Amino acid sequence: DAMVIQNPRYQVTQFGKPVTLSCSQTLNHNVMYWYQQKSSQAPKLLFHYYDKDFNNEADTPDNFQSRRPNTSFCFLDIRSPGLGDAAMYLCATSRDWRDTQYFGPGTRLTVL
Amino acid sequence: GQQLNQSPQSMFIQEGEDVSMNCTSSSIFNTWLWYKQDPGEGPVLLIALYKAGELTSNGRLTAQFGITRKDSFLNISASIPSDVGIYFCAGQLGGGSEKLVFGKGTKLTVNP
Repeated sequence: DAMVIQNPRYQVTQFGKPVTLSCSQTLNHNVMYWYQQKSSQAPKLLFHYYDKDFNNEADTPDNFQSRRPNTSFCFLDIRSPGLGDAAMYLCATSRDWRDTQYFGPGTRLTVL
Repeated sequence: GQQLNQSPQSMFIQEGEDVSMNCTSSSIFNTWLWYKQDPGEGPVLLIALYKAGELTSNGRLTAQFGITRKDSFLNISASIPSDVGIYFCAGQLGGGSEKLVFGKGTKLTVNP
């Protein structure tokens, strides 16, 4: 059974058109993460939530926002996607900040 | 920032051969993780290592947490075509810095 679910798996948007990516988890983990992964690169952490506490990485562009309305769901909002934002977006969860992270299958974002 | 040096960058092997890859760092890590990523999918956890010197197996996979806590290796025995993918090492520094630090990945190709 899938434990970290991402929807949609593929998303196409137009330059400048806001887009929202979704992540849900059945693990009841406290921490949820969003990563950006570009081709042939390692995942890059954008931000994470420890419960309701939001932690932004210093180099995450302001164009990226996140919401976590409850334990199970977390959303990534890209306010004005640029061509450089085309990437795989990965959601991950862990029971605690020190625990092993489990990744979802990712959403491949294409910006036209 | 912290870096993990992962090698080799890519490997081309014949089915049935054994594979070895490793990660090194100038920093001491509390946790080492090995993930495998198939094309278009999220990273899947293979092995997690929590203690210096720890040697852990998962089927044909074996990984070790280096005694200095600055390195780890992953071995795959008797490779099969489905072993194809990108293998990432990742470490957690601990001491309040629990963000995952990723290596750049080893791309494995297995020729039948």
